[in-house]
Amino acid sequence: SQKIEQNSEALNIQEGKTATLTCNYTNYSPAYLQWYRQDPGRGPVFLLLIRENEKEKRKERLKVTFDTTLKQSLFHITASQPADSATYLCALIISGSARQLTFGSGTQLTVLP
Amino acid sequence: DGGITQSPKYLFRKEGQNVTLSCEQNLNHDAMYWYRQDPGQGLRLIYYSQIVNDFQKGDIAEGYSVSREKKESFPLTVTSAQKNPTAFYLCASSPGQGDNSPLHFGNGTRLTVT
Repeated sequence: SQKIEQNSEALNIQEGKTATLTCNYTNYSPAYLQWYRQDPGRGPVFLLLIRENEKEKRKERLKVTFDTTLKQSLFHITASQPADSATYLCALIISGSARQLTFGSGTQLTVLP
Repeated sequence: DGGITQSPKYLFRKEGQNVTLSCEQNLNHDAMYWYRQDPGQGLRLIYYSQIVNDFQKGDIAEGYSVSREKKESFPLTVTSAQKNPTAFYLCASSPGQGDNSPLHFGNGTRLTVT
């Protein structure tokens, strides 16, 4: 079965720096990889999607990369702000898997003022 | 505003009782999902439905039941057979077209069984 790991449970960075979160997976290469943000006591909110044939995707201060050789996705937040503090989840889907996403356990990011 | 509504936000039950969690969406989405979230673990799929009157088991369906009588509604019943029911339950929906559709989540129901 597919296994997905996010680099660490918690990451603290200083405001203004770039936060980099890692998502590693094993076994089959996913067709798509999605990133979500989750605030305490709330449901996840979709941020970005990247396909297996895309190397990089950007949205405002967010950037996602996808390396199928390393079986890894990196999620970057540039010019981080305290409001970016949240838990970030990666999720992957294998084409033809009947719409089932496999979620990582998340990385809790804290941006210190 | 369109979205997914889960109710109640907090729910307390005694062991041995069945309990039903509500999930309603006004996004006109075909597909709906139930996930369970425990500390330190990824979201785990309980049940999903791609169309009215049809649903499939996810990875951890034992001890749970669902129905999909209306497109807008996908209630989840946690039965007394579920050994560890205390958790944060999340309902989600997607348009149902294509494998890459992002999920829209509700804000969850935290169930505590004592």
